[in-house]
Amino acid sequence: KAGVTQTPRYLIKTRGQQVTLSCSPISGHRSVSWYQQTPGQGLQFLFEYFSETQRNKGNFPGRFSGRQFSNSRSEMNVSTLELGDSALYLCASSGGNMNTEAFFGQGTRLTVV
Amino acid sequence: AQKVTQAQTEISVVEKEDVTLDCVYETRDTTYYLFWYKQPPSGELVFLIRRNSFDEQNEISGRYSWNFQKSTSSFNFTITASQVVDSAVYFCALLHGSGNTGKLIFGQGTTLQVKP
Repeated sequence: KAGVTQTPRYLIKTRGQQVTLSCSPISGHRSVSWYQQTPGQGLQFLFEYFSETQRNKGNFPGRFSGRQFSNSRSEMNVSTLELGDSALYLCASSGGNMNTEAFFGQGTRLTVV
Repeated sequence: AQKVTQAQTEISVVEKEDVTLDCVYETRDTTYYLFWYKQPPSGELVFLIRRNSFDEQNEISGRYSWNFQKSTSSFNFTITASQVVDSAVYFCALLHGSGNTGKLIFGQGTTLQVKP
């Protein structure tokens, strides 16, 4: 069974640009969550999508957005990039209820210069 | 407020030593789940264990064991006879409330270095 796949693995962008990250969950999983990991703030929840609907959202500005497609693949977009957006972005895939564990991808390392 | 505290920022041990990673959580919910994840240098978070709030049984899996105590709101993780391959960052996480599926609250992580 294939794991969670995130693309690309590494990205370098310039301030003011926008970026789109992709996540393909484990086959059969309908929930995809996104997390931002930075040395200062640790792991922080961005949002969760389930059956193409945003089900939960963390405390991030509107520049961070996402969507989920009918095949459960998800994308997150960050517009008007800031230096502070440099982070490891992790995607988690799960069955969608509390009684299941979340499996994570290897992440996308975004560097904003 | 919901919170997870891992007070140990870094731990360094010599191979074959036992090591315990501490995790203390806060939640007002009666139904919640606790997790431990391992993050090797590659960056991926590797699932280790899930425990729900109604199951206080300790668990052992090979060299790993977990001690869940609701009375002290703790969910500690012990590695017996540590190995160099155990070197990683370990995260404790909380999933609480029926409306918060997918929203894990993580501790700050404990970096474990196992020296040969």
